[in-house]
Amino acid sequence: KQEVTQIPAALSVPEGENLVLNCSFTDSAIYNLQWFRQDPGKGLTSLLLIQSSQREQTSGRLNASLDKSSGRSTLYIAASQPGDSATYLCAVHTGRRALTFGSGTRLQVQP
Amino acid sequence: GAVVSQHPSWVICKSGTSVKIECRSLDFQATTMFWYRQFPKQSLMLMATSNEGSKATYEQGVEKDKFLINHASLTLSTLTVTSAHPEDSSFYICSPQNRVTTEAFFGQGTRLTVV
Repeated sequence: KQEVTQIPAALSVPEGENLVLNCSFTDSAIYNLQWFRQDPGKGLTSLLLIQSSQREQTSGRLNASLDKSSGRSTLYIAASQPGDSATYLCAVHTGRRALTFGSGTRLQVQP
Repeated sequence: GAVVSQHPSWVICKSGTSVKIECRSLDFQATTMFWYRQFPKQSLMLMATSNEGSKATYEQGVEKDKFLINHASLTLSTLTVTSAHPEDSSFYICSPQNRVTTEAFFGQGTRLTVV
């Protein structure tokens, strides 16, 4: 059974810092991995999708990497802003085609 | 990305009543619908998977008679929480898929509060 772990569970940083959020998964037989953002009481916003054959994806200040063999992914946020404050979820897509989610990292960027 | 519409976005109901949540995929045909729920300060957990025209498959610990799922068309699926109790209070969110999509898309979610 796939298990996804995210570290740290919570993070508070001053504005402008570069951040790294970590995600690990136990079964490396994945189709892809997605990073989402969730604001309090809201739905999910897809940030980045990395296919199993890819090593990284970039969108603006966000960069996600994937090391499938070691079961790890990182989300790098450059020059963080208060508007980046949210919970970031990592999810992997395996053969069942449903996503297995991590527990998330709650990020607070202080102005 | 795909356009997914989920309604209502929030609902408060009395214990013992039923609540229906609708999920529509507006710009693609959803052959499969995943329903997740999220308890406070926890992550999303898959509740059930439904394929259009077939009965839903429920995850372990999810009561199929309590959470009725209908997926009668390729653009609409509904989740009905029957005889709701306060412990059913949660955030419910749908995710339609088909054989072509690789990226997951989600509805806006429904926050259910049972009083």
